[in-house]
Order: sequence, then C-alpha cells, then structure tokens
Amino acid sequence: DAGVIQSPRHEVTEMGQEVTLRCKPISGHNSLFWYRQTMMRGLELLIYFNNNVPIDDSGMPEDRFSAKMPNASFSTLKIQPSEPRDSAVYFCATSGQSNQPQHFGDGTRLSIL
Amino acid sequence: GESVGLHLPTLSVQEGDNSIINCAYSNSASDYFIWYKQESGKGPQFIIDIRSNMDKRQGQRVTVLLNKTVKHLSLQIAATQPGDSAVYFCAEIIYNQGGKLIFGQGTELSVKP
Repeated sequence: DAGVIQSPRHEVTEMGQEVTLRCKPISGHNSLFWYRQTMMRGLELLIYFNNNVPIDDSGMPEDRFSAKMPNASFSTLKIQPSEPRDSAVYFCATSGQSNQPQHFGDGTRLSIL
Repeated sequence: GESVGLHLPTLSVQEGDNSIINCAYSNSASDYFIWYKQESGKGPQFIIDIRSNMDKRQGQRVTVLLNKTVKHLSLQIAATQPGDSAVYFCAEIIYNQGGKLIFGQGTELSVKP
C-alpha cells in the first residue's frame, strides 16, 4: 500500500531559482497538507486542500510561495524566487477525513545556497 | 491562543524501562489528539490517536491518556526498545477547522542499551 510520495527527496539550488516540490497523496484521501519543518520553528502548516480546493493558506510565508492541486492525485508547492531562509524540510501529508490521522511523506530536504 | 506544547524536550531511558512523554494543550475545543513518531530523515509516523470523548486508549506497547480537566496528554511506551528512539510529537485537531493539525514542540526520546 503506497504511502504519500514526495519528490525530490533532496534539492540544492542557488538563491533566486524557482523550486517545485511535488506530492502524490494516498489514493482516496480528500485532504492534503503542506508543512515546513525547521529546528527553530518546528512543524508549521503552510496550506491545506480539501477535495482539491485550497481551504487555508494563512501559513504561506510570502507571495513567493504558491501551491496547487490540479487533481486528486497530485499537488505542487512552488517557491519563486527562492531564498536561503527557505531552507527546510517540506512535508506533504494527506488524510481521508478531518477526524482521521494525517499520513506524512518522507519530505523534501531543501537547501538554498 | 491555540498552542500545543511539550513539557520535556529530551528524555533518556534505559532499554526495557517504561517511557512517559507529556504534552500540554491550551484549546479546550480540541476534538482529537494524535501522537506521531519521527525518526531521522523520515516524516512523522502515526502512533496512536484519541478522541476527546475518551480518557485512555491502548495500542501495542503504547497507551495514550487524556486529561481534559488539566488539558494534558501523555504517551506511555512499555518496555522501551532502542528502535523507539525518535522525536515524538503530540498534535491536536479541531474538527470545524477542517482537520488542521496543531503540533507541539516535540520530545526527543533516547533509549540506552
């Protein structure tokens, strides 16, 4: 049974470049969440979708960040232009319903030089 | 405001002993609580959950206790093993907020052989 699949696992790029992180949710899960994890701030919710519709993007740090979910099996988180302070591990998580646990992918470790 | 916090950032136990990880939450409207385990280089992994109408739930070697009076949650691990070494997070959900998880700071559990 495939879990949440994220790609790439690691990304190293120079500041100013566009970064695109990808997530494939567990089949049948209706909710998708993007998180960022750093030592200083822990796990922060950036944005979440229900049935492919963005519900709450209040955690998105700046306009440089955008997320899309064009269909039930794919989501992207884009940073343009990237900055060194965006360096973190980005997780995607999905759940069937709001009263069910979220299942996490193994994350994308992003380093902006 | 809403917050979930952990009392102890680190916990060191001897293999075979029982471990207790504590968590305080501030939002009495929270409906659902989850414990996650995060190993190095991986995403948070679901361990056990409990709903607000319960005060205790048991799994395999793990027990979660919920005390709504003092807004306290604990995770008990019986016969702790080296493989239990990880960071443990508690998280809370308020259903009418669409299943948005609010994570605590995390406790690092270290098991000595």
